[in-house]
Amino acid sequence: GEDVEQSLFLSVREGDSSVINCTYTDSSSTYLYWYKQEPGAGLQLLTYIFSNMDMKQDQRLTVLLNKKDKHLSLRIADTQTGDSAIYFCAESDALRSYNTDKLIFGTGTRLQVFP
Amino acid sequence: DSGVTQTPKHLITATGQRVTLRCSPRSGDLSVYWYQQSLDQGLQFLIQYYNGEERAKGNILERFSAQQFPDLHSELNLSSLELGDSALYFCASSGGRGAYNGYTFGSGTRLTVV
Repeated sequence: GEDVEQSLFLSVREGDSSVINCTYTDSSSTYLYWYKQEPGAGLQLLTYIFSNMDMKQDQRLTVLLNKKDKHLSLRIADTQTGDSAIYFCAESDALRSYNTDKLIFGTGTRLQVFP
Repeated sequence: DSGVTQTPKHLITATGQRVTLRCSPRSGDLSVYWYQQSLDQGLQFLIQYYNGEERAKGNILERFSAQQFPDLHSELNLSSLELGDSALYFCASSGGRGAYNGYTFGSGTRLTVV
């Protein structure tokens, strides 16, 4: 079945690293994504990782994928107050269903960065 | 500006009424997706259209319907509205199959049913 879970809240001090975790249930997921939602705005794609990769780094962002445990994480280095937002992980079932590539989103993790 | 336009931004209406939410996808994108975001249920997939045809249906109520027009814009129709339909409704677009670049989201329509 399709289920993506995240912890609801994370609070970190400015300058520290943040690690947001996500677990998913479907091992056939091909792409996994991280989106950011700021207050009053839509979701913005931060990064994605293909399922045959273990890690992807993009500036301050590092994505780790453990396929065996179906665990995805997003690490934000040197977290800033501007990083305060809700972070969603999502999986694509593009190979599971030929006709669609809909994304299944997690519940979202609210990251609060304090000075 | 993401390139995906949703109108209106805010909508307040009474129970039992019908509303139409509109979405213009990013130029060149053939797929349109509708999602509902409520406080207690996160982001729920409603429906997907690809080049005018329905491709996938999620947790969409029978009171809700959608369509995609030849110019690729899409409308989500919500009828017999209930208080529980109050939510943020997002539209997203992509180039179609192979959404490895993810979606581009609009800024949403906030619907309040009173």
